Amino acid sequence: SQTIHQWPATLVQPVGSPLSLECTVEGTSNPNLYWYRQAAGRGLQLLFYSVGIGQISSEVPQNLSASRPQDRQFILSSKKLLLSDSGFYLCAWRPGTVGSYEQYFGPGTRLTVT
Amino acid sequence: SQQGEEDPQALSIQEGENATMNCSYKTSINNLQWYRQNSGRGLVHLILIRSNEREKHSGRLRVTLDTSKKSSSLLITASRAADTASYFCATGSNYKLTFGKGTLLTVNP
Repeated sequence: SQTIHQWPATLVQPVGSPLSLECTVEGTSNPNLYWYRQAAGRGLQLLFYSVGIGQISSEVPQNLSASRPQDRQFILSSKKLLLSDSGFYLCAWRPGTVGSYEQYFGPGTRLTVT
Repeated sequence: SQQGEEDPQALSIQEGENATMNCSYKTSINNLQWYRQNSGRGLVHLILIRSNEREKHSGRLRVTLDTSKKSSSLLITASRAADTASYFCATGSNYKLTFGKGTLLTVNP
């Protein structure tokens, strides 16, 4: 069966510090991968998605970036965090086959920028 | 902009009652999905309904889709305290999903 891992679960970082959140998927090949951010009491905002190694699509221009160095690894980064980067970050995957629309989410990372 | 918008924003019911949540969307879709999120956790996929379907069931869940009105509803029958969560509808293209802001359902024991 497939599983998705995200770490860390919680993170408190000062303004201006770098960020690296990691997501890995097990039990599948060539998944589509996604990073979302959720503000308190709000819906999900799609930040990045990837349909293959090295292929990243950005949905929201900001000081975040994403990379996919391996088939089942997706990394969210920032060189300098802003207060507005605080939120709940969710990684998700979807089978890469045509006609598979359901997404499967990781447990999330709660980021607080102070 | 948000594609799906859930209504109501919050719903509080007693255990055993039915809960109905609605979702409206703006553009044509090929499917609509519902997800559940327990507080502080990731989302869990509940059910997908395709544009050529009008109704779908999964256990205590019943989803309807009216493409002429661009709306969907999620019915949870015989609710339990464990159903307390936020519920989101999602629509999208082949690769991306757009989520609404969700309905917060509270089931009181």
